[in-house]
Amino acid sequence: DTEVTQTPKHLVMGMTNKKSLKCEQHMGHRAMYWYKQKAKKPPELMFVYSYEKLSINESVPSRFSPECPNSSLLNLHLHALQPEDSALYLCASSQEEYLLGYTFGSGTRLTVV
Amino acid sequence: GIQVEQSPPDLILQEGANSTLRCNFSDSVNNLQWFHQNPWGQLINLFYIPSGTKQNGRLSATTVATERYSLLYISSSQTTDSGVYFCAVGKKTSYDKVIFGPGTSLSVIP
Repeated sequence: DTEVTQTPKHLVMGMTNKKSLKCEQHMGHRAMYWYKQKAKKPPELMFVYSYEKLSINESVPSRFSPECPNSSLLNLHLHALQPEDSALYLCASSQEEYLLGYTFGSGTRLTVV
Repeated sequence: GIQVEQSPPDLILQEGANSTLRCNFSDSVNNLQWFHQNPWGQLINLFYIPSGTKQNGRLSATTVATERYSLLYISSSQTTDSGVYFCAVGKKTSYDKVIFGPGTSLSVIP
């Protein structure tokens, strides 16, 4: 299995809602990542988990809360988002942190209304 | 941190034409990957190529790490090649995170 699976593919949420994005990989990769991408821009790193521990938080607002329940799963919990948080959210994994050879999921297109 | 530039920023090709995309980086790296982002947003791994040359069908890539650039060649382009091509570089250390270039937007017209 050489895929990263993200759900849901599309999400519309109100500013008072709580929702979660999910990401799963079964490649035995020990590093998992959340990226945010705005239109016509490159992906922007949000969080890195290495061996199920949070390694990097790129000064992301607390309304985004990551969680790594096990080595295959990564969640991103969303609460009280703003319209400017609307973006494509991408999950990726690699064998080790700082090592490219990323595999990306297909992303969740999030709209905050 | 490392600066990454990609050229050209935009490219329009007739189907069947060849093209070369370039990625320049400001410091030595030992970690480089090319991606294609299709119009639906999926980022697809093309090559992990910190040095040397690789080929996969109509695509090939060359990285000259000592001169701080990488090239992606697309031959006999097809409409399905349309999208944005990103290079990403890094140094495999805890002090330098992976940096994405700004991308080259490619449109292949029939």
